[in-house]
Amino acid sequence: DTAVSQTPKYLVTQMGNDKSIKCEQNLGHDTMYWYKQDSKKFLKIMFSYNNKELIINETVPNRFSPKSPDKAHLNLHINSLELGDSAVYFCASSRAANTGELFFGEGSRLTVL
Amino acid sequence: KQEVTQIPAALSVPEGENLVLNCSFTDSAIYNLQWFRQDPGKGLTSLLLIQSSQREQTSGRLNASLDKSSGRSTLYIAASQPGDSATYLCAVRGTASGTYKYIFGTGTRLKVLA
Repeated sequence: DTAVSQTPKYLVTQMGNDKSIKCEQNLGHDTMYWYKQDSKKFLKIMFSYNNKELIINETVPNRFSPKSPDKAHLNLHINSLELGDSAVYFCASSRAANTGELFFGEGSRLTVL
Repeated sequence: KQEVTQIPAALSVPEGENLVLNCSFTDSAIYNLQWFRQDPGKGLTSLLLIQSSQREQTSGRLNASLDKSSGRSTLYIAASQPGDSATYLCAVRGTASGTYKYIFGTGTRLKVLA
């Protein structure tokens, strides 16, 4: 059973479109994250939710909006996509906000044309 | 502001060698440090987690040490194999602003030659 799963794995879209990436974890963790990995492979945190509450919100354009319907799910919606949004987006989870290993999904590669 | 640096950026070794990857961080106020490997086109796989109160953790051929006061961690890989080829990332969970963020290093790309 996959612990942290993301869909879709690949996403190719035009500039200006709106798209969503979904993430689910079956580990019973309280905390979930979105990370962005750029072309230089650097991983940067975007958002974190603890038990459906937003606890980390980095300086991300407000075109990015996370939503956590329950603590097992964290989705990422992106409006008005730009070329610079092309990256791999990783979902992750941990047992709590300040403890436990970080477990990652396989990533969603977004390409904006 | 926490900064995490990994040296070297890339490493190529013959099979069978023991090797050390380095991770340094600027703020010693951390909860824990985690080592990951990332294979091309894949997600990150957790290798070892060291709590701030611990000095080292071992799993199989891997041993990670932590020296919080000097802001350093090393990942030791014994008897390297071609299957160890991957990018290795360290991440530090800090206490800055109470947000418990994991900050990642830039990674070390390891290639083990058969």
